[in-house]
Amino acid sequence: NAGVTQTPKFQVLKTGQSMTLQCAQDMNHNSMYWYRQDPGMGLRLIYYSASEGTTDKGEVPNGYNVSRLNKREFSLRLESAAPSQTSVYFCASSLGQGPYNEQFFGPGTRLTVL
Amino acid sequence: AQRVTQPEKLLSVFKGAPVELKCNYSYSGSPELFWYVQYSRQRLQLLLRHISRESIKGFTADLNKGETSFHLKKPFAQEEDSAMYYCALSGQAGTALIFGKGTTLSVSS
Repeated sequence: NAGVTQTPKFQVLKTGQSMTLQCAQDMNHNSMYWYRQDPGMGLRLIYYSASEGTTDKGEVPNGYNVSRLNKREFSLRLESAAPSQTSVYFCASSLGQGPYNEQFFGPGTRLTVL
Repeated sequence: AQRVTQPEKLLSVFKGAPVELKCNYSYSGSPELFWYVQYSRQRLQLLLRHISRESIKGFTADLNKGETSFHLKKPFAQEEDSAMYYCALSGQAGTALIFGKGTTLSVSS
């Protein structure tokens, strides 16, 4: 099993460009998440999907949209990239939500917006 | 508001010394607490969770509800413990995890 996979691994965008970060999991998990990791800020939740067909905003949703395409896939879209969105993006998944549900993380996507 | 505070950005210790990574939380109900770890060039992964009362790689963490703390401890640090450590909180309602800002642990010989 590959676990949680993310594409691409690296991306450089110009201000105003759009792109979609892809995430897939093969663990039959119900819940999926998108985080951004910035120096000194830790991990901040952008959006999450508790189950297929639902999405909810996290702490920092502005400038992003998400799509839970099916149970396996959860994509993150930047419609008009800004330098403030330069970050490392992590996708994660868990069987459910709550204290017994460990989150499994992908390898991350390093995004630079010029 | 739910919040997790890790007051130290960097903790440097010598091999064999005791380690304590501090974590304080703010939550109105009864939260569940976790420690996640990210080793160099590896994925973020769960280290331990309060509800399991476990010890992983020699690390333990005790939930102190009076002090709203969940500090991570290890009696004798090893060089392979060098990593970024995140404390995280989950509310009983089953919402997504809230992470602290992380503490980098550096263990040198």
